[in-house]
Amino acid sequence: NAGVTQTPKFQVLKTGQSMTLQCAQDMNHEYMSWYRQDPGMGLRLIHYSVGAGITDQGEVPNGYNVSRSTTEDFPLRLLSAAPSQTSVYFCASRRSGTESSYNEQFFGPGTRLTVL
Amino acid sequence: SQQGEEDPQALSIQEGENATMNCSYKTSINNLQWYRQNSGRGLVHLILIRSNEREKHSGRLRVTLDTSKKSSSLLITASRAADTASYFCATWAGGYQKVTFGTGTKLQVIP
Repeated sequence: NAGVTQTPKFQVLKTGQSMTLQCAQDMNHEYMSWYRQDPGMGLRLIHYSVGAGITDQGEVPNGYNVSRSTTEDFPLRLLSAAPSQTSVYFCASRRSGTESSYNEQFFGPGTRLTVL
Repeated sequence: SQQGEEDPQALSIQEGENATMNCSYKTSINNLQWYRQNSGRGLVHLILIRSNEREKHSGRLRVTLDTSKKSSSLLITASRAADTASYFCATWAGGYQKVTFGTGTKLQVIP
């Protein structure tokens, strides 16, 4: 299994440009999420999905859109990039269910985004 | 908002020594997890401890949880250079939106 994959690894955008960060997982996990990681801030949840067709906002959703048409894919869209969105973005997935062991999240390698 | 705060922010030790890092949190939790992040990589799950557990072991890792003090510690015994990484605690308080990560401890193990 490839686990969680993300593309691209690096991206530079100009203010106002749009782009989509891709995320895919091959573990048949129901839950997927997007985080951003900034220095000294830890990881902050942007959006998450508990299954195909179901998405919800996390802690810092402004400026980002998501959709979940399949179990495998969970793209993150930046509609009009701003310098404040310069960050490292991580996609993660986990199994559904209330069993505590299911809380383990599997992370992708990240996308480093710079907005000029 | 940050639920977990790790302490210390950075730690440098010699290979073979033990490394201890701490996590404090603010609200009641269902479980607490520790993750490792190597430079430029994603996070990797290390260990999970439930709120009704006080101590858990996995290989060279030992995790304790004190719910009365809202704190946890991660002990890495007999450290190796390969343990050099950042370590994050993550608290789960129920529901997907209730998981929060701490700011991390950067560990350097000197060969």
